[in-house]
Amino acid sequence: EVQLVESGGVVVQPGGSLRLSCAASGFTFDDYTMHWVRQAPGKGLEWVSLISWDGGSTYYADSVKGRFTISRDNSKNSLYLQMNSLRTEDTALYYCAKALPDSSSGLDYWGQGTLVTVSS
Amino acid sequence: DIQLTQSPSFLSASVGDRVTITCRASQGISSYLAWYQQKPGKAPKLLIYAASTLQSGVPSRFSGSGSGTEFTLTISSLQPEDFATYYCQQLNSYPITFGQGTRLEIK
Repeated sequence: EVQLVESGGVVVQPGGSLRLSCAASGFTFDDYTMHWVRQAPGKGLEWVSLISWDGGSTYYADSVKGRFTISRDNSKNSLYLQMNSLRTEDTALYYCAKALPDSSSGLDYWGQGTLVTVSS
Repeated sequence: DIQLTQSPSFLSASVGDRVTITCRASQGISSYLAWYQQKPGKAPKLLIYAASTLQSGVPSRFSGSGSGTEFTLTISSLQPEDFATYYCQQLNSYPITFGQGTRLEIK
């Protein structure tokens, strides 16, 4: 059974930093592209970032480019999101998600999310 | 960036109704479009990928069509468990984007 479990969400002050983690199990982690997607309270889904199976390619939403860094450790079946220079508008539930084998097709498994609150 | 516009944003319907949600892209995205269902307090669930391919385990009353800039998600006969919010997503180019969502409520 595929499982994605996010952790690391806390309350942080504006300008602060945070590292989110996503522990994956139930599939061959290093075969798949992985994504982070966020959802602000009461709002829609916003794609944040993706990383290819080997970490060689990464992409970001314009809203986080230069502040967030996605990475993965295939030896630990783990995905990460380093978040720097946090802003109040980064407050959201952050989901990690697994891509389909064709990485341009969709996201077939999602975690339950970890809540990041940016507030003074 | 490619903008996705869903219509309607809100839909009220009854059990047994046939409903259609439209997703329009600001530029052509071939068939790189996915549809998701999200219920309150839950993670999104993939329904359709590559515009028209039904994800494994998803009931056949869900279907998707379209290519280029206009896409539709159709539910042929609404069931009580289908009342949720639906999102389209384009994966044709970066940054990947989602539509704003369509909230489907019981009439």
